[in-house]
Amino acid sequence: SSELTQDPAVSVALGQTVRITCQGDSLRSYYASWYQQKPGQAPVLVIYGKNNRPSGIPDRFSGSSSGNTASLTITGAQAEDEADYYCNSRDSSGNHLYVFGTGTKVTVL
Amino acid sequence: EVQLVESGGGLVQPGGSLRLSCAASGFTFSSYEMNWVRQAPGKGLEWVSYISSSGSTIYYADSVKGRFTISRDNAKNSLYLQMNSLRAEDTAVYYCARDSNMDVWGKGTTVTVSS
Repeated sequence: SSELTQDPAVSVALGQTVRITCQGDSLRSYYASWYQQKPGQAPVLVIYGKNNRPSGIPDRFSGSSSGNTASLTITGAQAEDEADYYCNSRDSSGNHLYVFGTGTKVTVL
Repeated sequence: EVQLVESGGGLVQPGGSLRLSCAASGFTFSSYEMNWVRQAPGKGLEWVSYISSSGSTIYYADSVKGRFTISRDNAKNSLYLQMNSLRAEDTAVYYCARDSNMDVWGKGTTVTVSS
């Protein structure tokens, strides 16, 4: 299956902007979705498609894509944004249907 | 309220079987594709299996192919995962997730494979 690679951890000062990236060949063909997961909780979809937010997701979350890289940007990070973030896309290799990224731990300082 | 509730997890010996269930409510279950996703302790998310809204199209991750079977009963608003020949590496929290965007998740059910 294809792989989606994310930086293991990033930190951001309260109120500042952080960008989380996801790299993989499948992203040349498919948009990424992004999920936020807090400890002991199920993942929550925050971005899907070109740059769509489900109802209830703050507009400080946005998504973008270029070539083999998808990005999730948090503009004005809040303490409650501290979580693990995973990207996900269809698998262009054809072996699997979906593939998840390796995950990024975001710490808000 | 849109909701997914998983059940059926537990402790099972290697080589054993379990059947997970996912009960859906608050939406027209028969209109949605469904997925199973798992998360091993301290690890990331792993997609496990997909089933189309009608049940006619099914996919599996290589890691479970031939051992796990996904199914659904649209009349009962339920999704299932039959897990056979379980291995220690199948130990994880198993989530059901709605649709291709995985926009709704259950809270998960824990499967522990250990002797």
